[in-house]
Amino acid sequence: DAKTTQPPSMDCAEGRAANLPCNHSTISGNEYVYWYRQIHSQGPQYIIHGLKNNETNEMASLIITEDRKSSTLILPHATLRDTAVYYCIVRVLYNQGGKLIFGQGTELSVKP
Amino acid sequence: DAGVTQSPTHLIKTRGQQVTLRCSPKSGHDTVSWYQQALGQGPQFIFQYYEEEERQRGNFPDRFSGHQFPNYSSELNVNALLLGDSALYLCASSLASGVRDTQYFGPGTRLTVL
Repeated sequence: DAKTTQPPSMDCAEGRAANLPCNHSTISGNEYVYWYRQIHSQGPQYIIHGLKNNETNEMASLIITEDRKSSTLILPHATLRDTAVYYCIVRVLYNQGGKLIFGQGTELSVKP
Repeated sequence: DAGVTQSPTHLIKTRGQQVTLRCSPKSGHDTVSWYQQALGQGPQFIFQYYEEEERQRGNFPDRFSGHQFPNYSSELNVNALLLGDSALYLCASSLASGVRDTQYFGPGTRLTVL
């Protein structure tokens, strides 16, 4: 079973920041938080991952709470092309098991 | 730099038949994972191959089998197809090096079983 909980859907206005929450209250110390997104009928796209520090790349920012029990993915200026299902996943490093366990994700709709 | 590629894009089979799906990993990657995604669901892990051996397996019957070749490409075979095998089959590649083992997905193969 997935170890994360996400809202099933969210709306965001184009040009505004999209903040997608994720709860992972049972996360272990050696588990990373990963985010992927999937645009309809395409393969999931890797976005970002982190352990305990906040992370930023060209696509998004990842904010992890100090107790690591929850995180937020931030898309700073959402566009219509960001409409997708966003998956939050916790997993250990490769040597301890490489599989990704997907939940239902959050369906983000970016509206004009 | 080519990403993960999969073939074919779409496939239609009938119940009882066998199917082979193919995956070429991203350049420099040595590990291939396969996932099944039913309509409206998140992807489910089938198995993972590294050094031409099945390294980890999800909760799928033996009808699902795979292979990895010396060039790191991989095949997924499904025997005795059932209607419930209709899904998007996704391949993901990664590099077996700890923190650099992020999985990158291909576009998938849409399998329809009639």
